[in-house]
Amino acid sequence: EIVLTQSPGTLALSPGDRAILSCRSSQSLTNNYLAWYQQKLGQAPRLLIYGASTRDTGIPDRFIGGGSGTDFTLTIRRLEPEDFAVYYCQHYGGSPLMSFGQGTRLEIK
Amino acid sequence: QVQLQESGPGLVKPSGTLSLTCTVSGGAIGTSDWWDWVRQAPGKELEWIGEIYHNGNTNYNPSLKSRVTMSVDKSRNQLSLQLRSVTAADTAVYYCAREPLGSSGWYKAFDLWGQGTTVTVSS
Repeated sequence: EIVLTQSPGTLALSPGDRAILSCRSSQSLTNNYLAWYQQKLGQAPRLLIYGASTRDTGIPDRFIGGGSGTDFTLTIRRLEPEDFAVYYCQHYGGSPLMSFGQGTRLEIK
Repeated sequence: QVQLQESGPGLVKPSGTLSLTCTVSGGAIGTSDWWDWVRQAPGKELEWIGEIYHNGNTNYNPSLKSRVTMSVDKSRNQLSLQLRSVTAADTAVYYCAREPLGSSGWYKAFDLWGQGTTVTVSS
């Protein structure tokens, strides 16, 4: 079973800071099928990154996905007030076919 | 602009069957996308339930496979989810989502989501 572990659980930063979120997989991911989502309270998740590093349409270039194999990161350069939310990573492949990490809460310091 | 809208009973009794519909508007359920269901229990992370292709092929989360059935009705542009023998642990917001085929290949991720529908399992 593939398990995604996100760290840290909570990250407290200020607008203008850089945020680095980590997602570690228990097994190497085929074709780096790793995605990142942003979720705000009471809303559906929003796709930011797929294929580990490809930004979805309309996603600002301050969101940068990286990594391969088992270790992946989401970097948010120069945090904007609207970036404070919960972030999830998601894999495709293996068993279960898809799953999500437990999330990182990005909060204002 | 394609939109997804989930609908169904907000309250289901324990041991009963949860039945939800996802209506796709602004476009047809085509031949290139997978369609998924994802749920989120209160205060918890997202959980993938399963996916269905336009031809009816499905893949389910092993943890739910024995209780889940998904179907697609292209004439109505609707997807359906049934979850049998529900318990309080199935209380969650249920989302339908699209897993698209992009110009460079499958996303293997969800680019379009419904707003979600809350289902509570309680007597």
